[in-house]
Amino acid sequence: GAVVSQHPSRVICKSGTSVKIECRSLDFQATTMFWYRQFPKQSLMLMATSNEGSKATYEQGVEKDKFLINHASLTLSTLTVTSAHPEDSSFYICSASGAVNYGYTFGSGTRLTVV
Amino acid sequence: AQSVSQHNHHVILSEAASLELGCNYSYGGTVNLFWYVQYPGQHLQLLLKYFSGDPLVKGIKGFEAEFIKSKFSFNLRKPSVQWSDTAEYFCAVNALGSNNDMRFGAGTRLTVKP
Repeated sequence: GAVVSQHPSRVICKSGTSVKIECRSLDFQATTMFWYRQFPKQSLMLMATSNEGSKATYEQGVEKDKFLINHASLTLSTLTVTSAHPEDSSFYICSASGAVNYGYTFGSGTRLTVV
Repeated sequence: AQSVSQHNHHVILSEAASLELGCNYSYGGTVNLFWYVQYPGQHLQLLLKYFSGDPLVKGIKGFEAEFIKSKFSFNLRKPSVQWSDTAEYFCAVNALGSNNDMRFGAGTRLTVKP
């Protein structure tokens, strides 16, 4: 079945640095990828929708200059948290969708801790 | 880390039929439980969630789910489905006291025939 690999699974970084999270579809072409963030004890929050070859569509309240999303190929989307701060510490998860019959597949998530 | 199993990969029903989608998880501690729906081309939408209290949780669009702790289950139900319920359904588990990360089941595709 469809597999999405998300890397890294855990990352600790210093405040002010940038962190890149990768989301790869291993056996299908992902025309659309979604990036979500989960706050403690809450549901997922959609951050942005990324379509291959075009600019990501960000949800209201999500800073596009802070959370850079690139979807340059049909198998890879990246989320870069720029100038990270402790409040950016969270769980980030991607999901990818290809042809309709593939449905949606989730990555395993990335736990980001900014110290 | 916790794991989540959704038993049915694809369910096909006729309108007005009753629905039950299975979800089991493996984690012995306290959990938060979620059911999400994703319509074609759209992002996830939260159907319902369980944090504590009454194990029978009612959500949007007539869905409900029951948390049975002894069975590590959180099955989703709807008494009468509609064509518009055609979508993919995901169960998710947030294991508290562990890494607190969310884990998703593989999803169940529901097709409702008019």
